Amino acid sequence: DAGITQSPRHKVTETGTPVTLRCHQTENHRYMYWYRQDPGHGLRLIHYSYGVKDTDKGEVSDGYSVSRSKTEDFLLTLESATSSQTSVYFCAISVDQGPRIAFFGQGTRLTVV
Amino acid sequence: AQTVTQSQPEMSVQEAETVTLSCTYDTSESDYYLFWYKQPPSRQMILVIRQEAYKQQNATENRFSVNFQKAAKSFSLKISDSQLGDAAMYFCAFYGNKLVFGAGTILRVKS
Repeated sequence: DAGITQSPRHKVTETGTPVTLRCHQTENHRYMYWYRQDPGHGLRLIHYSYGVKDTDKGEVSDGYSVSRSKTEDFLLTLESATSSQTSVYFCAISVDQGPRIAFFGQGTRLTVV
Repeated sequence: AQTVTQSQPEMSVQEAETVTLSCTYDTSESDYYLFWYKQPPSRQMILVIRQEAYKQQNATENRFSVNFQKAAKSFSLKISDSQLGDAAMYFCAFYGNKLVFGAGTILRVKS
């Protein structure tokens, strides 16, 4: 595996509270991604990063922010969690050259009540 | 915008038979990569096969092969000699300047 760890693995939080999910890699790759997975929608890109402090929005970025102050860590923050953000969140990294093969974390199941 | 469409929400196949999963994509880029990922109930994402757009030859990995039609922007996955362990969600993915996924196809394998 590509040495990618997500934390926490499970979280239940209340509506309106801030939540931060962490993705940690040991491979020193530039590209990191956050996706959410919902039935019928597959994996939808929230934000991605192509280097320290270099991030860009994906297709479902509203209500989410990210930060990358170190190569190895990519943080996803829900500023004020809503029930529509209940989902499974995946972090991924992709190799910097060639076919850009992506490796995924184990996922975080987030429930907003 | 880069989009990936998987038009088959669910597919079924008899064990030892062959099944083809469809995928189309939309892009204006000429240099990109395509992937199929498998997600079993464990939620783990497993790379099945990849294709570089500049290669005309279709990729093959054991029982898995693709039919890549660049002009038609089509990238289907063929699974031969299906096994019970092939049952999973399959995602088609496109990489141009970012990695984009389709909605997925659930594959059921009947014994």
